[in-house]
Amino acid sequence: NAGVTQTPKFQVLKTGQSMTLQCAQDMNHEYMSWYRQDPGMGLRLIHYSVGAGITDQGEVPNGYNVSRSTTEDFPLRLLSAAPSQTSVYFCASGPGVDTDTQYFGPGTRLTVL
Amino acid sequence: KQEVTQIPAALSVPEGENLVLNCSFTDSAIYNLQWFRQDPGKGLTSLLLIQSSQREQTSGRLNASLDKSSGRSTLYIAASQPGDSATYLCAMDSSYKLIFGSGTRLLVRP
Repeated sequence: NAGVTQTPKFQVLKTGQSMTLQCAQDMNHEYMSWYRQDPGMGLRLIHYSVGAGITDQGEVPNGYNVSRSTTEDFPLRLLSAAPSQTSVYFCASGPGVDTDTQYFGPGTRLTVL
Repeated sequence: KQEVTQIPAALSVPEGENLVLNCSFTDSAIYNLQWFRQDPGKGLTSLLLIQSSQREQTSGRLNASLDKSSGRSTLYIAASQPGDSATYLCAMDSSYKLIFGSGTRLLVRP
């Protein structure tokens, strides 16, 4: 039981490049979400999904796309990276059937030059 | 707009001291209140979750309380240890969307 895994751990992009941040969970949770953490701003919700095929926007969705084709995976795509997207990105999974707790992955530290 | 505020932003205490971290939120219609711990460069570890129908939760030396009417939660850490040094985040759960405070950075000095 790995919980929530994220890849890569670190990434450096140039402005305008695209990339996908991967997130996977093995807890069979329907609900998954993406947050970004910036100094002085706390964590803010980017996008979330309540199940396969269903996604919705959070507080800061601009510049990001998501899709949910399976229960396990919830990738986050940066279409055209900008320096303002330099941040640490966390994927969360849960709540589940038997708990309201949300579980977080180890994060991806992204730098956009 | 829903907001979560944590006071103080930073706290330094000697080992063995009991301490209280504060969290206030603007929306009384919350589902849950969750406390997390974050070590430098790491992800978030869930410490305690208080459901809206509950008043408090305990885990070992940690006790978290919730007062929806006043929009406040506290995390009490008993007999603090250097290993407790970390940033503590509270998050208001609004329909499974978490709204975070900026955290309290705790240093427990040996």
